[in-house]
Amino acid sequence: EAQVTQNPRYLITVTGKKLTVTCSQNMNHEYMSWYRQDPGLGLRQIYYSMNVEVTDKGDVPEGYKVSRKEKRNFPLILESPSPNQTSLYFCASSLYSANTEAFFGQGTRLTVV
Amino acid sequence: SQQGEEDPQALSIQEGENATMNCSYKTSINNLQWYRQNSGRGLVHLILIRSNEREKHSGRLRVTLDTSKKSSSLLITASRAADTASYFCATVARDDYKLSFGAGTTVTVRA
Repeated sequence: EAQVTQNPRYLITVTGKKLTVTCSQNMNHEYMSWYRQDPGLGLRQIYYSMNVEVTDKGDVPEGYKVSRKEKRNFPLILESPSPNQTSLYFCASSLYSANTEAFFGQGTRLTVV
Repeated sequence: SQQGEEDPQALSIQEGENATMNCSYKTSINNLQWYRQNSGRGLVHLILIRSNEREKHSGRLRVTLDTSKKSSSLLITASRAADTASYFCATVARDDYKLSFGAGTTVTVRA
């Protein structure tokens, strides 16, 4: 089944404790991206990747890192999480670019205390 | 920065009625996409309309695009309880690589 898989689905952590949210897609898509969703703000893009080893900042990249060592995986790293990063996070992939249909993961609800 | 803005923010209708929501955006685009999100779950792609298209249909969905007004509308006909969800428009500005979403319209379909 074609899908984007994120893990974990739920995470509660403490301020400053490094964490990684994994994202994997099985559709051989070139474009992958991370979003955060906050009430009243819709989805805001954190980082995107147009292909292996090619990543770029989205609209809200501060406090996040990503890597794209393999085509299928695009982990999101929070080196020192803070309470303002409490949010619902989504990973998405598209065949070629943001101009094609995006497939979303089920989301990761992160709480930083 | 948010490119698209949906209107209204929330909509409540009776089952069987039509639901219309609008999206306005700021810059020239390659295409405009509509997505649905059921309560806290991942977004699902509904329809993509290219900048040179004016109208597109998919089942009970009808999307229009007016590039001169920088606006789009999504019409859901003969709504069902299962259409209860949030609906988002998303755009990619020309010469950009980011997909930007609006804040969404929350649609409630009453049985």
